[in-house]
Amino acid sequence: KQEVTQIPAALSVPEGENLVLNCSFTDSAIYNLQWFRQDPGKGLTSLLLIQSSQREQTSGRLNASLDKSSGRSTLYIAASQPGDSATYLCAVRQPPSRGTYKYIFGTGTRLKVLA
Amino acid sequence: EPEVTQTPSHQVTQMGQEVILRCVPISNHLYFYWYRQILGQKVEFLVSFYNNEISEKSEIFDDQFSVERPDGSNFTLKIRSTKLEDSAMYFCASSESLWRGNTDTQYFGPGTRLTVL
Repeated sequence: KQEVTQIPAALSVPEGENLVLNCSFTDSAIYNLQWFRQDPGKGLTSLLLIQSSQREQTSGRLNASLDKSSGRSTLYIAASQPGDSATYLCAVRQPPSRGTYKYIFGTGTRLKVLA
Repeated sequence: EPEVTQTPSHQVTQMGQEVILRCVPISNHLYFYWYRQILGQKVEFLVSFYNNEISEKSEIFDDQFSVERPDGSNFTLKIRSTKLEDSAMYFCASSESLWRGNTDTQYFGPGTRLTVL
């Protein structure tokens, strides 16, 4: 059964720091992996989606990498800003062979960037 | 850019009452999903729906839950007799395809916060 874990659970950094959020999954057979941002009490904003054949994706100050063999993905945020404060979720879809269409979500990392 | 919309944004109901949560998926999408997030917990899959049928459901999705596409644009989640533990944020999502490269991305709506008193 696929399990998705995110470390750390919470992170507090001063503005301007580069930081790395980690996501690990127990079954390396994945179809894709997506990183989301969630503000308190709000919905899910998609940040980056990595297909299983890709190693990384970039959008602005965000870079997500994927290492399927080790069951890990990292989200790198460059030059963090107070506006980056939110909870970051990773979610995994498994391939058709697993017979499921759903995303399996991680526990999230709650990020606070201090001004 | 097209987006998934959900109404209402917040619903308060008494235990035992029926609630219907509404979603308008992206117009050319064929696959629809409901997820929920209990406060402080993971986002969990509830159900997927295609061609007027449930294609997959989780163990959470018991007989108290049902889904429907009553017309060409809406997708609804009904909870027949709400319990305190149904209090959560409910997210609707839709995708154009299931397994076809960049058209199989699930797009999520902003969520409906359900509070059961």
